[in-house]
Amino acid sequence: EAQVTQNPRYLITVTGKKLTVTCSQNMNHEYMSWYRQDPGLGLRQIYYSMNVEVTDKGDVPEGYKVSRKEKRNFPLILESPSPNQTSLYFCASRPAGGNYNEQFFGPGTRLTVL
Amino acid sequence: GDSVTQMEGPVTLSEEACLTINCTYTATGYPSLFWYVQYPGEGLQLLLKATKADDKGSNKGFEATYRKETTSFHLEKGSVQVSDSAVYFCALSGPDYKLSFGAGTTVTVRA
Repeated sequence: EAQVTQNPRYLITVTGKKLTVTCSQNMNHEYMSWYRQDPGLGLRQIYYSMNVEVTDKGDVPEGYKVSRKEKRNFPLILESPSPNQTSLYFCASRPAGGNYNEQFFGPGTRLTVL
Repeated sequence: GDSVTQMEGPVTLSEEACLTINCTYTATGYPSLFWYVQYPGEGLQLLLKATKADDKGSNKGFEATYRKETTSFHLEKGSVQVSDSAVYFCALSGPDYKLSFGAGTTVTVRA
């Protein structure tokens, strides 16, 4: 089944404790992206990657890191999480070419930083 | 930059009522437009899309028409069901692949 998976689905942590949220897709998509969803703000892009070893900042990159060492994986790293990073996070992927292609979303990771 | 403004919710309806969620956008060039739906506890799913002016996207009884003259992409359904209860997001995609989302509209349909 074609899908985007994320782990963990739920995470409660404390300020300053490094964490990684994994994202993996099995559709051989070139483009991958991370979004955060906050009430009243919709989804905002954190980072994106056009292909292996190519990453760039989105609209709200502060406090986050990413890497793209393999085509299928795009982990999101919070080196020193803070309470304002409490949010619902989505990973997405799509094939390259044409702005009409839909993005496929993972199930989401609900993060709480105390 | 690109932006999307959609009708604020929440919206509460009775079954079989008509639903309209307004969406307008600001973009350079010719973006593609999407409606995504998020059912409770789930990720986002593409509901419908339109890639050029006057295109009509449709799926599951929902429709939206890409109106370039009014920069709008309103979502409509003639008769909603309880199973349509969800959060609906209007979004646009420009040449850099980035999706710009509206704030989302929560729809609750009561039996």
